[in-house]
Amino acid sequence: QVQLQQSGPGLVKPSQTLSLTCAISGDSVSSSGAAWAWIRQSPSGGLEWLGRTYFRSKWYNDYAVSVESRIIISADTSKNQFSLKLNSVTPEDTAVYFCAREVPTAGLRVYDFWGRGTPVTVSS
Amino acid sequence: EIVMTQSPATLSVSPGERAILSCRASQSLSGSLGWYQQKSGQAPRLLIYDTSTRATGVPARFSGSGSGTEFTLTISSLQSDDFAVYYCQQYNNWPLTFGPGTTVD
Repeated sequence: QVQLQQSGPGLVKPSQTLSLTCAISGDSVSSSGAAWAWIRQSPSGGLEWLGRTYFRSKWYNDYAVSVESRIIISADTSKNQFSLKLNSVTPEDTAVYFCAREVPTAGLRVYDFWGRGTPVTVSS
Repeated sequence: EIVMTQSPATLSVSPGERAILSCRASQSLSGSLGWYQQKSGQAPRLLIYDTSTRATGVPARFSGSGSGTEFTLTISSLQSDDFAVYYCQQYNNWPLTFGPGTTVD
């Protein structure tokens, strides 16, 4: 059974960097089939896909256009985890952030395992 | 970007009744549509992918159908455990996008 354990601060000041980590058990961050994503949920309930990382002989990333100038998703194979960094945050980045595994089947970009979510508030 | 809409916003159903939830896309999805269930304080749970394929462990009372831009999630006989918010998600085009959700109460 895949499990994703999230960690990171719940309060970030405006203009600073939001940093979250997702530790994986039951799978490998560098597995050839899966991809590892960050998805956030606004206070009103809307879900927004932010980006993903995956390994196919080398590392690849895809990012949502809305955040692509501010986001980095990276993997740490030694710790079997992946991370989200979102810089220059504003109150509009306040949300619950989820990490998730993309189903390891080519073209099937849906998410079968999720972390429990980290509520992040951007406020001074 | 493909815009997803869902209707109704809220569906009031009694246990044992059938619930029909709709999802519409602004462009054809070629069947690349998934459904999730989310309960309060929890992460979304994958129910359906490829329009009509149930994910592992999902009860048979959940079924998906549709094509093109119009899709439906049907819960054949609502159980007390099914009261939740349901989201559709398209993965035919980047970026991946979700509908706003339907609350079943």
